[in-house]
Amino acid sequence: AQRVTQPEKLLSVFKGAPVELKCNYSYSGSPELFWYVQYSRQRLQLLLRHISRESIKGFTADLNKGETSFHLKKPFAQEEDSAMYYCAPPFNQAGTALIFGKGTTLSVSS
Amino acid sequence: GAGVSQSPSNKVTEKGKDVELRCDPISGHTALYWYRQSLGQGLEFLIYFQGNSAPDKSGLPSDRFSAERTGGSVSTLTIQRTQQEDSAVYLCASSSSGTRSYEQYFGPGTRLTVT
Repeated sequence: AQRVTQPEKLLSVFKGAPVELKCNYSYSGSPELFWYVQYSRQRLQLLLRHISRESIKGFTADLNKGETSFHLKKPFAQEEDSAMYYCAPPFNQAGTALIFGKGTTLSVSS
Repeated sequence: GAGVSQSPSNKVTEKGKDVELRCDPISGHTALYWYRQSLGQGLEFLIYFQGNSAPDKSGLPSDRFSAERTGGSVSTLTIQRTQQEDSAVYLCASSSSGTRSYEQYFGPGTRLTVT
């Protein structure tokens, strides 16, 4: 079965420190992977998808097929990055809905 | 245009009562999803609608949960005989297609509290 693991429930860092939010997945096939973010009192929204290979708000995520990981990274965290981050590897068995991880709360303090 | 809207924003109900949660997707979006967000459990898929196809109900936790989508637009999630463990934020999302890699747009959610 498809599975997503975000091992950290909470990640606390200081402003300016590097950030890595971990995500591991199990999936047979070619995954299309996403990171979604939910800022306080805002809606869940797409942060980035790996196929576009873009950097959004300074975040990047590299797909490592060997390690089956899709970690989210940012070299210098900002306070406004504080949010809940969800890794969403591919779809469920029926190929319809995303399977979200349990999320990691990132807290950036000054 | 407007994004995905959900109503009510908050619902408090007594155990055993039925509740209906409503979702208005973005106009023209053919795919609609319901998720449940609870503390410590992350986002849990409930049900998916795509056009006129039969819905994917594989995520519904019990037969007390059901959903329908009328006219390919508005959707209603119904929970019968609510239990305390049903307390959560119920999120609706829509996308322009049900195929892979299409971005999902989420509503603000309905916070359900079962007392």
